[in-house]
Amino acid sequence: GQNIDQPTEMTATEGAIVQINCTYQTSGFNGLFWYQQHAGEAPTFLSYNVLDGLEEKGRFSSFLSRSKGYSYLLLKELQMKDSASYLCAVIKNSGNTPLVFGKGTRLSVIA
Amino acid sequence: GAVVSQHPSRVICKSGTSVKIECRSLDFQATTMFWYRQFPKQSLMLMATSNEGSKATYEQGVEKDKFLINHASLTLSTLTVTSAHPEDSSFYICSARDGFEGGAGYTFGSGTRLTVV
Repeated sequence: GQNIDQPTEMTATEGAIVQINCTYQTSGFNGLFWYQQHAGEAPTFLSYNVLDGLEEKGRFSSFLSRSKGYSYLLLKELQMKDSASYLCAVIKNSGNTPLVFGKGTRLSVIA
Repeated sequence: GAVVSQHPSRVICKSGTSVKIECRSLDFQATTMFWYRQFPKQSLMLMATSNEGSKATYEQGVEKDKFLINHASLTLSTLTVTSAHPEDSSFYICSARDGFEGGAGYTFGSGTRLTVV
């Protein structure tokens, strides 16, 4: 089976830092993705982790611990435009296999 | 970078009619296309995996006779929602492995908002 958990909703203040957690239990693991999605639009790629550790990319960072089945997405210097859903997704095998998505976290950035 | 063109972006149809959604890879060959459905405030749920030149693989609970998938070429996959009903109203989106590094290898179409009235 597969289970990918994220908080349903989060609220944070403009300029602050927010951490969105994702835990996973899947039959196979070959990497974890984070996507941003605005309502009615396609997901936008943010990050990909396959090895343990932190990947930093501008205001966004993503962390992975394979032994704990845990990842987080860190957003710094929040802006109003960061209000969106953030989707954690796992790829279970290499090759042409689909991404398996968590339920997503709706982030609201307030002034 | 890789691009998947998805059409139409929005469609409204009457209950009982069929709707075809196209996904076309523009600058790469997509031997496999993944079709997802997303209901409001929910995440993307995989419906089926479409393979060029062979039958699609459907996820449990997805009716293959209702959601017809055709992947006749390396650049085109289509999803036809047959005899659509209001409960089929959803956001449908396709995705393909593209072999490029920028998006870690997956490209998404822009999605189709289907409303059945």
